Amino acid sequence: EIVMTQSPATVSVSPGGRATLSCRASQNIRTNLAWYQQKPGQPPRLLIYGASTRVTGVPDRFSGSGSGTEFTLTISSLQSEDFALYFCQQSFNWPPLTFGGGTKVEIK
Amino acid sequence: QLQLQESGPGLVKPSETLSLTCTVSGGSISSSNFYWSWIRQPPGKGLECIGSLYYSGTTYDNPSLKSRVTMSVDTSKNQFSLNLSSVTAADTAIYYCARHDPMKGVLDVWGQGTTVTVSS
Repeated sequence: EIVMTQSPATVSVSPGGRATLSCRASQNIRTNLAWYQQKPGQPPRLLIYGASTRVTGVPDRFSGSGSGTEFTLTISSLQSEDFALYFCQQSFNWPPLTFGGGTKVEIK
Repeated sequence: QLQLQESGPGLVKPSETLSLTCTVSGGSISSSNFYWSWIRQPPGKGLECIGSLYYSGTTYDNPSLKSRVTMSVDTSKNQFSLNLSSVTAADTAIYYCARHDPMKGVLDVWGQGTTVTVSS
């Protein structure tokens, strides 16, 4: 099973600021990585797939990068609606699809 | 617009079997392009994919749960189901069903989730 590790567990950012979230895979997953956003009481929402391709309707302040074992989700100019929990997920080797433990983006 | 809705008991006793159904609307579960998945999230924790299945009935189980998991599909009702046997308190979680797009490697449409508590 491929283990996904996210850091930090929590990041505090001021509105309008920039958040950088990291995700590391235990082995090379090429670009088979997705990012999800989850708000309290809601299911996860797919933001990015293929490491860097935004889903239709996702604002361009969300950007993904990386390949191999190291990946980054950057949220520029944070809006109030962006404060949430973010998960990465690999699909290079499944079953199972595996997720990182999540990073919470909170208001500073 | 595709929608998924989980249903099933919210409370299950230890050692019994947890049974959930996901009803798909706004699209066909028999699409050859997608799998159908179960994911769970213990309170305050991360996400675990339980497994995925194809409309033909082929299943792809998480090895960590494989011996306790049974998944099935009913194309006539546009539903798929999960049975998890011998449950313990560690199986308490929000259970989600979702559509799995294998080309993109993503879970792109999710149900709202249903909370299942294991307690006597």
